[in-house]
Amino acid sequence: EIVMTQSPLSLPVTPGDPASISCRSNQNLLHSNGYNYLDWYLQKPGQSPQLLIYLSSNRASGVPDRFSGSGSGTDFTLEISRVEAEDVGIYYCMQTLQTPWTFGQGTRVEIK
Amino acid sequence: EAQVVESGGGSAEPGGSLRLSCAASGFSFTAAWMSWVRQAPGRGLEWVGQIRSKGGGGTTDYAAPVKGRFTISRDDSKNTIFLQMNSLKTEDTAIYYCIKVYATTGGVAHSFDYWGQGTLVTVSS
Repeated sequence: EIVMTQSPLSLPVTPGDPASISCRSNQNLLHSNGYNYLDWYLQKPGQSPQLLIYLSSNRASGVPDRFSGSGSGTDFTLEISRVEAEDVGIYYCMQTLQTPWTFGQGTRVEIK
Repeated sequence: EAQVVESGGGSAEPGGSLRLSCAASGFSFTAAWMSWVRQAPGRGLEWVGQIRSKGGGGTTDYAAPVKGRFTISRDDSKNTIFLQMNSLKTEDTAIYYCIKVYATTGGVAHSFDYWGQGTLVTVSS
């Protein structure tokens, strides 16, 4: 099973400031086809998770361009260029290279 | 608009059974892979399993904690998938989400694009 590790687990942010979350896997998520099978999700309070980024760096439909994903292999990063109040919640990375698909522990983002 | 709606949650005793349903609409269900993910109270997300489209073989995969106890099936005539949960344990208590798998890219299925609101399963004596 691929183990996903996120850091930090808690991230207080100031609106307008940038924010960054790291996700590391214990196995290479870069497939021979050239794609990294790593997603980012946001679970806002009281809601179901929503897809933000897929295949490491592709924004899902309707996701604001202040969200960006990067990384390859075992190290990945989600960046928010300017945090807004509506961005609070728990962010999860997830790998889909092999079953069982596995999530990181989650990073709680809250406004200072 | 695409939508998935879970039903069938509730309470069960350890060793008991429950069957969850997930009705889908607004997308090509027959071509879609579907998954279940659960979230224990106050905890993170845990992938439960998936079922491929009939064109993808219609086969299933399961997480180790539920393998042999849970079964995912689909009825394409009703745009519905099911999660049959047997031999329930207290640690199966969670919100269960039904989710559409986004796509297959480079021959590998990935990502969850449409999530239901979830249905709560409580296992206790």
